[in-house]
Amino acid sequence: EVQLVESGGALVQPGGSLRLSCTASGFIVSSNYMSWVRQAPGKGLEWVSVIYSGGTTHHADSVKGRFTISRDNSQNTLYLQMNNVQVDDTAMYYCARGSQGLNLDYWGQGTLVAVSA
Amino acid sequence: QLAVTQSPSASASLGASVKVTCILSSGHSSYAIAWHQQQPQKGPRYLMKVNSDGSHYRGDGIPDRFSGSSSGTERYLTISSLQSEDEGDYYCQTWTNGLVVFGGGTKLTVL
Repeated sequence: EVQLVESGGALVQPGGSLRLSCTASGFIVSSNYMSWVRQAPGKGLEWVSVIYSGGTTHHADSVKGRFTISRDNSQNTLYLQMNNVQVDDTAMYYCARGSQGLNLDYWGQGTLVAVSA
Repeated sequence: QLAVTQSPSASASLGASVKVTCILSSGHSSYAIAWHQQQPQKGPRYLMKVNSDGSHYRGDGIPDRFSGSSSGTERYLTISSLQSEDEGDYYCQTWTNGLVVFGGGTKLTVL
């Protein structure tokens, strides 16, 4: 059974840093495209980052230069390093698996990041 | 530029059918999309992939009340025999190299 479990969300001050984790089971993270997607309170879904099976990464313009997606193959875990966080980064963060490209076919339950002074 | 557009709301009666529309930006009629459901206070759930030829592939455990179709740049999600638990937000999503795009979501109300 495919499962994704996010963790690491917290209350953080503007300018601070945070690392989110997404532990996968039932499939191999490094064999799939993996994404982070966020949802601000009362808003829609916003794509954040992707890492391809080959290791290439891409980030949305809104987080480029501040967030970094990575993975640990030995732990079958996906990460999102968030630096210089801003109030607008407040959101529920979901990890998702891509199949047949970036057809996001499994989602985690989310982890909440709140940025406030 | 790749984009998808959705109507903000839809409604239908319990037991009836409803069709939700997602429109791809001009020049992207060959693109597949995915439909995702988000029930109130829950995370997103993958429903299906819809290809440009109208073929669709439901995710694990998704009942056949949910179906997909296509016409030009439009992709559709049809839900038949509406149930109260179908109420929520429905998002279409597409992708290209290095980019994932979501529609703004359609809020479905079951009357």
